[in-house]
Amino acid sequence: NAGVTQTPKFQVLKTGQSMTLQCAQDMNHEYMSWYRQDPGMGLRLIHYSVGAGITDQGEVPNGYNVSRSTTEDFPLRLLSAAPSQTSVYFCASSYLGQGNSPLHFGNGTRLTVT
Amino acid sequence: QKEVEQDPGPLSVPEGAIVSLNCTYSNSAFQYFMWYRQYSRKGPELLMYTYSSGNKEDGRFTAQVDKSSKYISLFIRDSQPSDSATYLCAMSETSGTYKYIFGTGTRLKVLA
Repeated sequence: NAGVTQTPKFQVLKTGQSMTLQCAQDMNHEYMSWYRQDPGMGLRLIHYSVGAGITDQGEVPNGYNVSRSTTEDFPLRLLSAAPSQTSVYFCASSYLGQGNSPLHFGNGTRLTVT
Repeated sequence: QKEVEQDPGPLSVPEGAIVSLNCTYSNSAFQYFMWYRQYSRKGPELLMYTYSSGNKEDGRFTAQVDKSSKYISLFIRDSQPSDSATYLCAMSETSGTYKYIFGTGTRLKVLA
C-alpha cells in the first residue's frame, strides 16, 4: 500500500515559471488537501477537496490552483512562481464520515523559487 | 494569538527518560486531537488520535486531553534515540468543518 505519493521530491523554479505538484492516494479517501510548511509557521492549508469536482480554499490560497477530476489525484498548480512560495509542500488525505478522521501525509515536495 | 501554541524546543533528554510534550489551544470547539511525528525531510506520521477528553495509550506513547484547561500532552516512556524527531500537535472541530489546526512542532533529541 503506497498511501499518499507526491512528485517530484525536489524542484527549483525561476520567478514567473509555472509548475504542477502531483499528489496521488490509493486509500480511497474522499478528503484531500495541500499544506505548506515554513519554519516557525507550522502547516498552513492551501486548498482542499471533499470529492471529485469539489474544491475549496484554505488559509493561504493565493497563487495556487487545484482541481480534482478523480478520487485518487489532487494536483497543485503554481501559476507564476514567486520567491515567497519557496517552501515544503505536503499533500494529505483522510476519510470523510462521522467525526474528523486524522490526516495521512505524503513525504513532501521541496520547492525553491529563485 | 495563535489558536494552537506549542513550544518549539529543542528538547534534549537522555535515553530512557520520560518525555512530556504539550500544546495549548484557545478554541473550545476543538473536539479531535492528534499527535504527529515528523522525521527530517519526511512527512508527518500519525502517532495518536483522540476524541474529546481523557487518556489514550499505545505502547510507549500516552496522549492526554484536558478540555477544561485547553491543554493536551503526549508522553513518551523509555525514550529511544529513534524517537528524535519533531512532534506536531493538531486539532479539529466538529465533523464537517474540514479544518485542522497544527502547532508549529517541538523538536526532540534523545541522547544515547
